[in-house]
Amino acid sequence: EVQLLESGGGLVQPGGSLRLSCAASGFTFSDHAMNWVRQAPGKGLEWVSAITSLDSSTFYTDSVKGRFTISRDNSKSTLYLQMKNLKAEDTAVYYCVKGQWLDPPWGQGTRVTVSS
Amino acid sequence: IQMTQSPSAMSASVGDRVTITCRASQDISGFLTWFQQKPGKVPKRLIYAASSLQSEVPSRFSGSGSGTEFTLTISSLQPEDLATYYCVQHHTYPFTFGGGTKVEIK
Repeated sequence: EVQLLESGGGLVQPGGSLRLSCAASGFTFSDHAMNWVRQAPGKGLEWVSAITSLDSSTFYTDSVKGRFTISRDNSKSTLYLQMKNLKAEDTAVYYCVKGQWLDPPWGQGTRVTVSS
Repeated sequence: IQMTQSPSAMSASVGDRVTITCRASQDISGFLTWFQQKPGKVPKRLIYAASSLQSEVPSRFSGSGSGTEFTLTISSLQPEDLATYYCVQHHTYPFTFGGGTKVEIK
């Protein structure tokens, strides 16, 4: 059974940093691209970042380029999102999502709140 | 790639046929997925590759389209279909979601 467990969210001041983690199980993690998708309170879904399986190429939405870094540790079946210089508009629930086709199931997400 | 979803909200009666449209700003072939998100819940994939029904999703849901225009159809709306529906293109990075369609039951 595929499981994705996000962690690392919390309350952080503007300009601060957080590192999100996603522990994956139930599939061969190294075989799959992985994504982060977020949802701000009361808003729609927004794709944030992806990392490929073969060569760990990385991709970002424009609003987070230069501030967020996605990475993976295949030996630990874990996905990361390092977030720096956080802004109020980064406040959201962050979901870790498997595959280029955004496969089910999604995890429950981890909440990030950027506020002073 | 911009994804324009319409309508942004709608109200329909149980048993109605519901159609939601998603338009891409450029050709995305069949790299289009539909999600359903019920209030307070995690998004659930309904349709992938534009027209393939996700396992365990009721057959009243269907998807069609290719290139730049796509449609999600609910053939007979049920009370449990109250949700917001999103399309997403995964043809080109950065992937992009449509703005969502909130479906309410009359």
